[in-house]
Amino acid sequence: KNEVEQSPQNLTAQEGEFITINCSYSVGISALHWLQQHPGGGIVSLFMLSSGKKKHGRLIATINIQEKHSSLHITASHPRDSAVYICAVTRGANSKLTFGKGITLSVRP
Amino acid sequence: DTGVSQNPRHKITKRGQNVTFRCDPISEHNRLYWYRQTLGQGPEFLTYFQNEAQLEKSRLLSDRFSAERPKGSFSTLEIQRTEQGDSAMYLCASSSRDNYGYTFGSGTRLTVV
Repeated sequence: KNEVEQSPQNLTAQEGEFITINCSYSVGISALHWLQQHPGGGIVSLFMLSSGKKKHGRLIATINIQEKHSSLHITASHPRDSAVYICAVTRGANSKLTFGKGITLSVRP
Repeated sequence: DTGVSQNPRHKITKRGQNVTFRCDPISEHNRLYWYRQTLGQGPEFLTYFQNEAQLEKSRLLSDRFSAERPKGSFSTLEIQRTEQGDSAMYLCASSSRDNYGYTFGSGTRLTVV
């Protein structure tokens, strides 16, 4: 079993829909990262969370430490949100990232 | 500062050849990481530097792989005697001591033919 699991694996939505992407992890963590990867490889860091909730524009990330679960929400989705969304964690003082496989999101106009 | 820079962007090499990739991190970041990503998978950790010290190496990093960060600034990743299984995207990232500002480069895509 992978330390970081993401669901669903692929997701298709219509423009304007509210989207939720989930991430579960099986180990104690010091922080959880949400990352976005567009075709061609570039990875952009969206959020780093250790508790609670963060918001940036149309993106909201939440984390429940007790349940070892995090969600990334996209409000008013747009085709330019189409990308791979990856959840990754760091453990203790170790700053390397352990990644989930990522979820491919397609937003149709 | 223009972020994390990786060169080259693409590399095609024949099996058995040596290749070297370079990563220039954000100048204020003292932590530098190398990851490898194959198609359809999340990245996997290869190695990590704090300043010039290589603090951790993954078991994925066979004897054919070596990484350096000689002056605590840029880093190089060398693969000797490349194999087809080495074909992947090699990603470099840097961060500050408290992991804020975790920033990835655009990656070097290696194809071994």
